[in-house]
Amino acid sequence: GAVVSQHPSRVICKSGTSVKIECRSLDFQATTMFWYRQFPKQSLMLMATSNEGSKATYEQGVEKDKFLINHASLTLSTLTVTSAHPEDSSFYICSARMTQAGNTIYFGEGSWLTVV
Amino acid sequence: QQPVQSPQAVILREGEDAVINCSSSKALYSVHWYRQKHGEAPVFLMILLKGGEQKGHEKISASFNEKKQQSSLYLTASQLSYSGTYFCGTSGSGNTGKLIFGQGTTLQVKP
Repeated sequence: GAVVSQHPSRVICKSGTSVKIECRSLDFQATTMFWYRQFPKQSLMLMATSNEGSKATYEQGVEKDKFLINHASLTLSTLTVTSAHPEDSSFYICSARMTQAGNTIYFGEGSWLTVV
Repeated sequence: QQPVQSPQAVILREGEDAVINCSSSKALYSVHWYRQKHGEAPVFLMILLKGGEQKGHEKISASFNEKKQQSSLYLTASQLSYSGTYFCGTSGSGNTGKLIFGQGTTLQVKP
C-alpha cells in the first residue's frame, strides 16, 4: 500500500485563486519532505525541500511567495499555489524519506493541477 | 546538475533485454531508480548506495560505479508491464532524500 499520500489527486481552479495540496507520510514520521513539479513528457524538477518546524528551502528559480510550503507536523506538508495562472498547470508530486526502509524515498500519488 | 540518461528511448519485443544508463558530472552518494507510467506517480525500483554495489529485483537489476559516477539499470527478459519511463535520481552528499532526476528513458515493450 501507499506510504506517502497526496490530496487532492486532481484539482481545477480559476486563474487568480489559490490551491492547497497536502502530502502525508503514512505510519512514519518525515522531518523532511520534497516537492517536485513535472510538466508533460518532462522530468521531475525539484521545487523545494519542506522542513518540519522551519522554513522551506527553495530551489533556484522557484518563487517562494508563489509556492508556499508549510510543514506543520512530522507527517504533513502542504504546498499552496497562490494566485495561480494557467502556466502553473502541472503535475505536482511530493516525496518523503523512510529511514526504516533503508532510506528509500517514496513518492505520493501526485496531484494534477489545472488552472483555467 | 541534472544526471544524463541514455538512451532517451528504446523499443523492445517481449523477452528482450535492455540497459539504461545514468551518468553524473558530480560525485554521487546514491542512485535511485524509478519507473513511471503515463499519468501516474513514479514507482520505486531500487536504491544503490556509495560502495559500488549491485542489486537485483526479479528480472531488474542495477549497478553503481561511484568512480565513474555512473549507474546502469538492467532489464532482462522484458515483459509488457515494463513499459514506461525510467528515471534515475541522484543524491550528491549523504542520503538526505533530495534527488535530482535525469531526463528519463522511455521504454516500450511490444508483444
